Amino acid sequence: GNSVTQMEGPVTLSEEAFLTINCTYTATGYPSLFWYVQYPGEGLQLLLKATKADDKGSNKGFEATYRKETTSFHLEKGSVQVSDSAVYFCALSDRQGTYKYIFGTGTRLKVLA
Amino acid sequence: GAGVSQTPSNKVTEKGKYVELRCDPISGHTALYWYRQSLGQGPEFLIYFQGTGAADDSGLPNDRFFAVRPEGSVSTLKIQRTERGDSAVYLCASSLAMGDQAGELFFGEGSRLTVL
Repeated sequence: GNSVTQMEGPVTLSEEAFLTINCTYTATGYPSLFWYVQYPGEGLQLLLKATKADDKGSNKGFEATYRKETTSFHLEKGSVQVSDSAVYFCALSDRQGTYKYIFGTGTRLKVLA
Repeated sequence: GAGVSQTPSNKVTEKGKYVELRCDPISGHTALYWYRQSLGQGPEFLIYFQGTGAADDSGLPNDRFFAVRPEGSVSTLKIQRTERGDSAVYLCASSLAMGDQAGELFFGEGSRLTVL
């Protein structure tokens, strides 16, 4: 079945450091890919998405490119801020099925001033 | 408010009791999802509604779990004979299903269930 694997955390970085959080997926069809973020004390919210191969999703300085050949959707940001401290979830949704979302286990990011 | 609303935000119950968790989605959203999130884990799919019908209930762990959405809006997740292993945060999300594109999920803040 479909699944998502993302790097384990926690990831601790200094402010202005470069961020990469790895995500790979297994899917039978051509899923849509997403990154969701959960800030402390808040619900999950969409950060960015990509719906087909080679698409790049971007938002708030974060980017991720849908790589079909490597089945990956790694999250990157060039310069993190303290306010980026949160838990990040990679997810996919299979368009051939009932659109249920499959989430990874989450990666906690802590950015130090 | 305009967001997804879940009640109660916190529920403590005893083993063996019956529990209902309610979700009020964003108005006009036809798709509604229930997820369960344990500490340190990602959301685990339980059930998905399109309108009033359960389009996919493959994530319900056993027959103690049941969910309804009788009028295509508010949904209730029902857990019978609760067990300590049911303790988790139960998340509800809604979206506009858009043809062959999965819509953005809008999550509520969750109902934290503790079974003693």
